[in-house]
Amino acid sequence: EDQVTQSPEALRLQEGESSSLNCSYTVSGLRGLFWYRQDPGKGPEFLFTLYSAGEEKEKERLKATLTKKESFLHITAPKPEDSATYLCAVQAWAGGYNKLIFGAGTRLAVHP
Amino acid sequence: EAQVTQNPRYLITVTGKKLTVTCSQNMNHEYMSWYRQDPGLGLRQIYYSMNVEVTDKGDVPEGYKVSRKEKRNFPLILESPSPNQTSLYFCASSLEVGETQYFGPGTRLLVL
Repeated sequence: EDQVTQSPEALRLQEGESSSLNCSYTVSGLRGLFWYRQDPGKGPEFLFTLYSAGEEKEKERLKATLTKKESFLHITAPKPEDSATYLCAVQAWAGGYNKLIFGAGTRLAVHP
Repeated sequence: EAQVTQNPRYLITVTGKKLTVTCSQNMNHEYMSWYRQDPGLGLRQIYYSMNVEVTDKGDVPEGYKVSRKEKRNFPLILESPSPNQTSLYFCASSLEVGETQYFGPGTRLLVL
């Protein structure tokens, strides 16, 4: 069964304390992996797309990497404004059509 | 400004009273989709539309209908809402299937 699992479920960091969020997946036909940021009560905001193992993308304090079975979102020297839920989603060919499968998310809280 | 809009943003209704949530995008996107988001379950796809001619069920279509009469609009219809449809709903669109999806601001629905 196609599945996307994110860990940890919640993460509390001090400002400046770097860490990584994990997204592991089991899908039959990976077409791409997406990271989104979601603030409370708002729609997911696109961050990155990764298509193949070894690919990396960076944006400010965030860096996303991809292997054959998982992706990491590295947060370097986070600030309080990085507090949000980070969602991972995998685009896969499943059940005869292209499907976006989301993980449950990691809630990140960065404290000053 | 390129965006996906949804209306209403908040809705309280009673069991059995038909309602429609509108979704509109101004990016000339072919692909549109509806998701619901529930605590601990992540985003789950309700219906999607590859283009104005193709609409199909996602993972959780029961109790919902959609229509795609024109490219920019993709309304979600609840013919007879029930309390288990209380949720946060998101509309999303992308240039084509498999491309990055951009989300609307969400509609919070409470069915009493």
